[in-house]
Amino acid sequence: DSGVTQTPKHLITATGQRVTLRCSPRSGDLSVYWYQQSLDQGLQFLIQYYNGEERAKGNILERFSAQQFPDLHSELNLSSLELGDSALYFCASSVSGSTPYEQYFGPGTRLTVT
Amino acid sequence: GQQLNQSPQSMFIQEGEDVSMNCTSSSIFNTWLWYKQDPGEGPVLLIALYKAGELTSNGRLTAQFGITRKDSFLNISASIPSDVGIYFCAGQLPSNTGKLIFGQGTTLQVKP
Repeated sequence: DSGVTQTPKHLITATGQRVTLRCSPRSGDLSVYWYQQSLDQGLQFLIQYYNGEERAKGNILERFSAQQFPDLHSELNLSSLELGDSALYFCASSVSGSTPYEQYFGPGTRLTVT
Repeated sequence: GQQLNQSPQSMFIQEGEDVSMNCTSSSIFNTWLWYKQDPGEGPVLLIALYKAGELTSNGRLTAQFGITRKDSFLNISASIPSDVGIYFCAGQLPSNTGKLIFGQGTTLQVKP
């Protein structure tokens, strides 16, 4: 158990809908990262928050957004969902917002868009 | 997006054999991390490397941070059936963020 929690574990929804994925970092970690894992693209960095502020952006679609709350949990919002958004979404956390620190991953949310 | 070149893509070995996999990049990295992922689960951190030339072990696993800072390898000695899974390398570029760039993964299968 990494100490990072994610809910829900599975999510099935229809195209055009909006969903929210939730992540709680390990105790003491200030930084949260979101990654998307699909069969054709592998693990791709989406966005990072550090102590409530956005720190870095990766290949995140404009239809996706995220935030980190004062209690340090984070939510990833995916809207106008398309079939291609079906993937595993992982949250990871680390103590610091920069290198060189280890990142610990949560169990992931499997999103299926039908 | 940017990815590391990880090889081999897959390996099918006999229990007890040693395994070696590596990652290379055209970019210099500050940190190399090795993860193992079981199907449908999150990546589990195996080894973290922070200095060029560093050699670190975790049980039967040994990993090294390349001298050029552009590569890393992972060795597994005396493989056992529970070593089955997908192994990923991940690197952190020198920057003020901690985002990880991942390799494509090495799928390991172990025959008892």
